[in-house]
Amino acid sequence: SQQGEEDPQALSIQEGENATMNCSYKTSINNLQWYRQNSGRGLVHLILIRSNEREKHSGRLRVTLDTSKKSSSLLITASRAADTASYFCATGGAQKLVFGQGTRLTINP
Amino acid sequence: DTEVTQTPKHLVMGMTNKKSLKCEQHMGHRAMYWYKQKAKKPPELMFVYSYEKLSINESVPSRFSPECPNSSLLNLHLHALQPEDSALYLCASSQLDLGLATGELFFGEGSRLTVL
Repeated sequence: SQQGEEDPQALSIQEGENATMNCSYKTSINNLQWYRQNSGRGLVHLILIRSNEREKHSGRLRVTLDTSKKSSSLLITASRAADTASYFCATGGAQKLVFGQGTRLTINP
Repeated sequence: DTEVTQTPKHLVMGMTNKKSLKCEQHMGHRAMYWYKQKAKKPPELMFVYSYEKLSINESVPSRFSPECPNSSLLNLHLHALQPEDSALYLCASSQLDLGLATGELFFGEGSRLTVL
């Protein structure tokens, strides 16, 4: 299975701190995506990083990809209360996107 | 318009009922998906439609019956469900380029289903 495994499963930090979550996967990939899900809501696409990219930025988000270690990390800088959500990495070819177990991030005011 | 709209938001049904979940998008996407998500778990792929044809069925029980009437609409017909089918059902869509999904999935807010 290409399913990503994420750690930590849960992360609680103070507002303003940086949050880092990691994703590992099992087989070769064309790209890896990160999604956010607020409680009980739909998923929102955050960023896609291709297999030939090592790092990508989008606003306060920084994603890295290490294909030799089959791992990726998502860094959220200067966290805000609104960043409280579950974060999923996703891998897969064509239409068969498979999500990791997710990290539940809580930002404390 | 970058929205995927799902109705109803909440549905309670008995095990003998027949109901349907509906999904609509007007982004011109030609791939549409149904995912099932249990509490504190990741979404699990159920079905994929490409160009209005069923392309992936992840061994979903026949009590779930998908339908894609046109390129904007996706339905999930429910019949004789079990209590363990209670979950959040998410619809998503994506662009296709030469028949392959280009990456980003756009999700609806989901339909919360409770089977009594």
